[in-house]
Amino acid sequence: RKEVEQDPGPFNVPEGATVAFNCTYSNSASQSFFWYRQDCRKEPKLLMSVYSSGNEDGRFTAQLNRASQYISLLIRDSKLSDSATYLCVVSGRGSTLGRLYFGRGTQLTVWP
Amino acid sequence: SQTIHQWPATLVQPVGSPLSLECTVEGTSNPNLYWYRQAAGRGLQLLFYSVGIGQISSEVPQNLSASRPQDRQFILSSKKLLLSDSGFYLCAWIPGASGYTFGSGTRLTVV
Repeated sequence: RKEVEQDPGPFNVPEGATVAFNCTYSNSASQSFFWYRQDCRKEPKLLMSVYSSGNEDGRFTAQLNRASQYISLLIRDSKLSDSATYLCVVSGRGSTLGRLYFGRGTQLTVWP
Repeated sequence: SQTIHQWPATLVQPVGSPLSLECTVEGTSNPNLYWYRQAAGRGLQLLFYSVGIGQISSEVPQNLSASRPQDRQFILSSKKLLLSDSGFYLCAWIPGASGYTFGSGTRLTVV
């Protein structure tokens, strides 16, 4: 079983739409959770951390359900500039300090 | 300021040739450093990580090796490249509590 599994996508939505991405993780001991954004042929960049109580950053809302080992990202009022691949990222276990596990990513295209 | 540099940006190498990719971090000391690879259509795979000079841990057995000759320098190498080594290679470190910061990456094509 993969450490992190995401919706495969791709998602194609019009500007102004609301879109949600889901992610599940296998390690119940994971402590840190993130969403990264990766533009085409670029390095991933941190979009937001995900906290147990849920958190919001402008049009982006992240939720964490530890019991279900489930993470979500909601994007409201989509912009053309939101087009990218979104990576769900979870901390690992064991002695590997800072080890993070990445989902394969969900591709989003926002069209005018 | 804390920055991470990675080069070259793009590389085309023939099968069987050697490889050396370099990553350096500025504005910090004794960082944990990581090498990841992203193959076409696949997720990021951790290759190596290092918690200090001369300390290298390998996540997967393969055709590659890593070295950390200086505190803020992390090098990825191969003696003989394979076609399967093609991919997007990313160096990363953790500047704070908010996950990784990645270098700009090296896109390697083995022909």
